[in-house]
Amino acid sequence: GAVVSQHPSWVICKSGTSVKIECRSLDFQATTMFWYRQFPKQSLMLMATSNEGSKATYEQGVEKDKFLINHASLTLSTLTVTSAHPEDSSFYICSARDRVHEKLFFGSGTQLSVL
Amino acid sequence: AQTVTQSQPEMSVQEAETVTLSCTYDTSESDYYLFWYKQPPSRQMILVIRQEAYKQQNATENRFSVNFQKAAKSFSLKISDSQLGDAAMYFCAYNNYGGSQGNLIFGKGTKLSVKP
Repeated sequence: GAVVSQHPSWVICKSGTSVKIECRSLDFQATTMFWYRQFPKQSLMLMATSNEGSKATYEQGVEKDKFLINHASLTLSTLTVTSAHPEDSSFYICSARDRVHEKLFFGSGTQLSVL
Repeated sequence: AQTVTQSQPEMSVQEAETVTLSCTYDTSESDYYLFWYKQPPSRQMILVIRQEAYKQQNATENRFSVNFQKAAKSFSLKISDSQLGDAAMYFCAYNNYGGSQGNLIFGKGTKLSVKP
């Protein structure tokens, strides 16, 4: 079945540094990918919609300059948390749309801890 | 705006018994899709079941079935013959396009515990 690979699965970084998270569709082309954020014991909240070859669409309240999204190919979207601070610590999950089979697949998530 | 409400933060069931998780939603759309996702401790999101609003027949996947009441905007999940591996967070979700377009709108989740 279709698989979405998300890396890294966890990362610890110092405050002020940048962290890049990759979301890759392994056996299908994903023109659209979604980035979610999940705080402990809470639900998934959409951060942005990533479209191949165009600018991402950010949800209200999400800083586009802090959370940089690049969807340069049909199989890869990246989320870069710039100048990370402790309040950015969270679980980040991507999902990718398989247009051919009309399905949505989730990555395994990335736990970001900013010290 | 569409909203999804799960009123049960936690539920508990005895192994082999049946449990029902509740979900209500609000939308002005007539055609949409509803989902139940399971998130075990690994935090991988796993699709449990999907329901198209235009279908009157309730979806079923092995031990999992839904009670879809469109007029009442209710979408409950029934788990029969509960197993220890069913213990997880369960999220109800809504989408206008079948899950392949647009984003999913999630409820706050229900934590299900299964007692041996």
